[in-house]
Amino acid sequence: SAVISQKPSRDICQRGTSLTIQCQVDSQVTMMFWYRQQPGQSLTLIATANQGSEATYESGFVIDKFPISRPNLTFSTLTVSNMSPEDSSIYLCSVERREAGDTQYFGPGTRLTVL
Amino acid sequence: QKEVEQNSGPLSVPEGAIASLNCTYSDRVSQSFFWYRQYSGKSPELIMSIYSNGDKEDGRFTAQLNKASQYVSLLIRDSQPSDSATYLCAVPQYTGRRALTFGSGTRLQVQP
Repeated sequence: SAVISQKPSRDICQRGTSLTIQCQVDSQVTMMFWYRQQPGQSLTLIATANQGSEATYESGFVIDKFPISRPNLTFSTLTVSNMSPEDSSIYLCSVERREAGDTQYFGPGTRLTVL
Repeated sequence: QKEVEQNSGPLSVPEGAIASLNCTYSDRVSQSFFWYRQYSGKSPELIMSIYSNGDKEDGRFTAQLNKASQYVSLLIRDSQPSDSATYLCAVPQYTGRRALTFGSGTRLQVQP
């Protein structure tokens, strides 16, 4: 598996502000993803974080709202911009390592509450 | 977009019994399948992956795959209260793409 850390682990934010979530992996990985899990729901993919190029967003998610960076093979950030209470969710990064096939491992998540 | 279907539960079993969790998927060309366990307030933890038809066993867990019928199941033998969690079935979105599509999850309750 991979050791994945996320910062912050939780935050409470005001409407209209932005929060940047960091994901750090202990070794280089090929693929990194960002998911959202709304209260009582399953996981929904936001985007694939591509190293050295723009992220690939899923339907319903746009770069202006969820800008993503991936400057190297061990680190990525997700920003939740201009937040509203509907953005209250757990945000999870996941990584895939080639030597583990196509298995994905998840970070501990960031619990975001927007007031 | 693939669809992954699970019964939301809760599935309640007594301690020591076999818990059977089922998942169906819509895309016939899916090649890999994953079961994750998620405790309340925690992130998903990989339990099993399966790629070939048949059974794959790991300790008290057995994953069963039937590609012809497009279902994958997870059996938990000798269920323990610590197995109480939500179990998520996941399938890669489509061939060549490695992001996962998750089912809605089945909540398992093991009664002591």
